[in-house]
Amino acid sequence: AQKVTQAQTEISVVEKEDVTLDCVYETRDTTYYLFWYKQPPSGELVFLIRRNSFDEQNEISGRYSWNFQKSTSSFNFTITASQVVDSAVYFCALTSNNAGNMLTFGGGTRLMVKP
Amino acid sequence: GAGVSQSPSNKVTEKGKDVELRCDPISGHTALYWYRQSLGQGLEFLIYFQGNSAPDKSGLPSDRFSAERTGGSVSTLTIQRTQQEDSAVYLCASSLRRGGNTEAFFGQGTRLTVV
Repeated sequence: AQKVTQAQTEISVVEKEDVTLDCVYETRDTTYYLFWYKQPPSGELVFLIRRNSFDEQNEISGRYSWNFQKSTSSFNFTITASQVVDSAVYFCALTSNNAGNMLTFGGGTRLMVKP
Repeated sequence: GAGVSQSPSNKVTEKGKDVELRCDPISGHTALYWYRQSLGQGLEFLIYFQGNSAPDKSGLPSDRFSAERTGGSVSTLTIQRTQQEDSAVYLCASSLRRGGNTEAFFGQGTRLTVV
């Protein structure tokens, strides 16, 4: 069975602070895919990034960066210089071909960025 | 349309009634998923359609739940004899093809309230 754990249920920061959202996953598959989604108050899940298991290169996209470490089964997400518009619930998710391609989601982390 | 479209956006129904939720995936996407998001349960996989293959129904919580996808496009999720525990946001997603190496795009969901 696959599992994704987001230990932080809620984080509150002040604008311009950096914040890291943790994600730890479990899977028996050797080929798998990790995702981060953002869910703003409107409710729609917005895709942020996909990472496959054989590519451990970290990625940066503007103020967003992701740190994938297979040794610790973690795929953490950092927002640099946070903004009020970053306030949302963020979900980490996992899938693999052996899992039928459905996403297993973590419980989500609610990020509140205060002005 | 450009994205996944779901209707209705909100539905209030009386306990015991049947409801139908509709999903219009992104044109050309062969894979379609239904997920449920409820308090305390997070995001749960319900059912997955891929092209003309038999759907993966492993996530459906009971036989009151069913779904179909006509013509490989629009999908309808039906809940019969609704119960209060069915209250949740039902999210539909589509992806270009089967496989974890492609992201799923989500609709804004249907918020179902059973009273």
